Amino acid sequence: NAGVTQTPKFQVLKTGQSMTLQCAQDMNHEYMSWYRQDPGMGLRLIHYSVGAGITDQGEVPNGYNVSRSTTEDFPLRLLSAAPSQTSVYFCASSKRLEELFFGEGSRLTVL
Amino acid sequence: SQKIEQNSEALNIQEGKTATLTCNYTNYSPAYLQWYRQDPGRGPVFLLLIRENEKEKRKERLKVTFDTTLKQSLFHITASQPADSATYLCARHTGGFKTIFGAGTRLFVKA
Repeated sequence: NAGVTQTPKFQVLKTGQSMTLQCAQDMNHEYMSWYRQDPGMGLRLIHYSVGAGITDQGEVPNGYNVSRSTTEDFPLRLLSAAPSQTSVYFCASSKRLEELFFGEGSRLTVL
Repeated sequence: SQKIEQNSEALNIQEGKTATLTCNYTNYSPAYLQWYRQDPGRGPVFLLLIRENEKEKRKERLKVTFDTTLKQSLFHITASQPADSATYLCARHTGGFKTIFGAGTRLFVKA
């Protein structure tokens, strides 16, 4: 029972490079979301999705794109990485929002 | 906008004592509050949910209270153990499909 799987676990980028953080869940949850976690600031919501084909912005969406073509997958794209995007990124899924299931995180450094 | 505030200072207690963590929120009371545990380098794990009409909820050594007058939730760990050392996050639903988190309180339980 994998739960929420995030890849890669670690990534180093140069400013201006693009990349995609992958998130997959095997619990058939309709709701999925991406957070970033920075020291002293807690988890901040980037984007979320309530089902395939439906996405919306969270608190800090600038610089990030998402899409949801299947129930299982919710990738997060950085089109042109900036040092301010250095962070730990967490993907979460949920059936009813009352309990979020998180992945183990993807640690991104932008030089 | 809604905010969640948790004591950013770490809480240090002796094994066997009760740890009490505080979560304060702004604006209207949410339908429920959630508490999560996060270990270093790991994703948050759901612990408890307490609804607006529930003053108190218990799960094993954990107890959560919800005071809508004070706009506050307290999280208690009784008979604390070194294994309880972690960061504890409070979260609330903000309407729509968004869940926001506090920055968390780090708990250290000394043997």
